[in-house]
Amino acid sequence: QVTLKESGPGMLQPSKTLSLTCSFSGFSLSTSGMVVSWIRQPSGKSLEWLAAIDWDGDKYYNPSLKSRLTVSKDTSNTQVFLKITSVDTADTATYYCARSGDFDYWGQGVMVTVSS
Amino acid sequence: DVLMTQTPVSLPVSLGGQVSISCRSSQSLVHSDGNTYLHWYLQKPGQSPQLLIYRVSNRFSGVPDRFSGSGSGTDFTLKISRVEPEDLGVYYCLQSTHFPLTFGSGTKLEIK
Repeated sequence: QVTLKESGPGMLQPSKTLSLTCSFSGFSLSTSGMVVSWIRQPSGKSLEWLAAIDWDGDKYYNPSLKSRLTVSKDTSNTQVFLKITSVDTADTATYYCARSGDFDYWGQGVMVTVSS
Repeated sequence: DVLMTQTPVSLPVSLGGQVSISCRSSQSLVHSDGNTYLHWYLQKPGQSPQLLIYRVSNRFSGVPDRFSGSGSGTDFTLKISRVEPEDLGVYYCLQSTHFPLTFGSGTKLEIK
């Protein structure tokens, strides 16, 4: 059974760094072809793909945010991380991780509010 | 970036009816490997998106055959027949052929 779960700070202040964790089970990121992505969704709006990391450690970023994003994974290949630097109110959203390729499995999402 | 134009924005439907949602891309979604990476998702209120159709026309595990996908190149359609209450929510298309991956703006299926 494939499951993913996001975790994060809930709320943080503008200009800080947002750190998110995606913990998953039912598959290993060391398996050839596996990819995990981060996607976000402001309330009432559509979805925005942010970044991805694959089984080989290759990283992919949305150019619109690339300078602020860092995606990484742990050595056990059961967690993926996302850092977003210099957050502002426009980064307020629900953040999802999903097993990519076809995005067949998604986490429940974690709501992040940027506010002073 | 590939622009995904999804129509309509809102789609009133009677239970038991049939509807179609269109997704058009600003460039061809045929990948160099020959596959077309266009997928459809349903997001129910308060939930994360769930995969319905992958690579244009393949139903994901457990998805009823009331859902079907078709299309090619830049023009794609999701059809839902015999609409049931559990089908209500917002439908999104996603292209994963080109980086950055891009989603449509969504179609809200609601009761007429």
